[in-house]
Amino acid sequence: EPEVTQTPSHQVTQMGQEVILRCVPISNHLYFYWYRQILGQKVEFLVSFYNNEISEKSEIFDDQFSVERPDGSNFTLKIRSTKLEDSAMYFCASSVTTGNTIYFGEGSWLTVV
Amino acid sequence: GESVGLHLPTLSVQEGDNSIINCAYSNSASDYFIWYKQESGKGPQFIIDIRSNMDKRQGQRVTVLLNKTVKHLSLQIAATQPGDSAVYFCAENPSGGYNKLIFGAGTRLAVHP
Repeated sequence: EPEVTQTPSHQVTQMGQEVILRCVPISNHLYFYWYRQILGQKVEFLVSFYNNEISEKSEIFDDQFSVERPDGSNFTLKIRSTKLEDSAMYFCASSVTTGNTIYFGEGSWLTVV
Repeated sequence: GESVGLHLPTLSVQEGDNSIINCAYSNSASDYFIWYKQESGKGPQFIIDIRSNMDKRQGQRVTVLLNKTVKHLSLQIAATQPGDSAVYFCAENPSGGYNKLIFGAGTRLAVHP
């Protein structure tokens, strides 16, 4: 069964460092997303991406965050200067179109120290 | 109900019993609803979805009920098994959005043999 894959599964970084989280969405999907989940809290929307541009973003997704589809398969989330409060599980997701099932990856656990 | 931090509401059931997990959603304009299952350290796993033009949908061992009048969603799991133990989230998709899912707080289902 096709799945969304994410790397790394866990990353520890120092405050102020840049982090890139990588994702390979399901191959025939056109819409890509990043969500995050702070430990013990709800899953929160960060950004949606379609046709090589951001289609919607939340207030969490400030100037420190960026997304990119550098080639035909990868979708990345960059945090330019990490803060302690960025520590969370980051989930990549994809869907064929809007209003369709969104499939999530297993997540990348980011710890900022 | 709502949760704060790590204190998720918990539903404890005996193996073989039926489980009902409830969710109140917030946006009357939402037109698509999904139930996800999340096991510890993993990403949300799609269970079943329903559109706002329906009030019931059945899958394998699961049924979702939608009451738009009171903005209420429920997930029924028949013959609950130990492998069903997880946190269950409902998510709503406000119409017109780019799959900017709004997740509920989650309910922990504990299945006892």
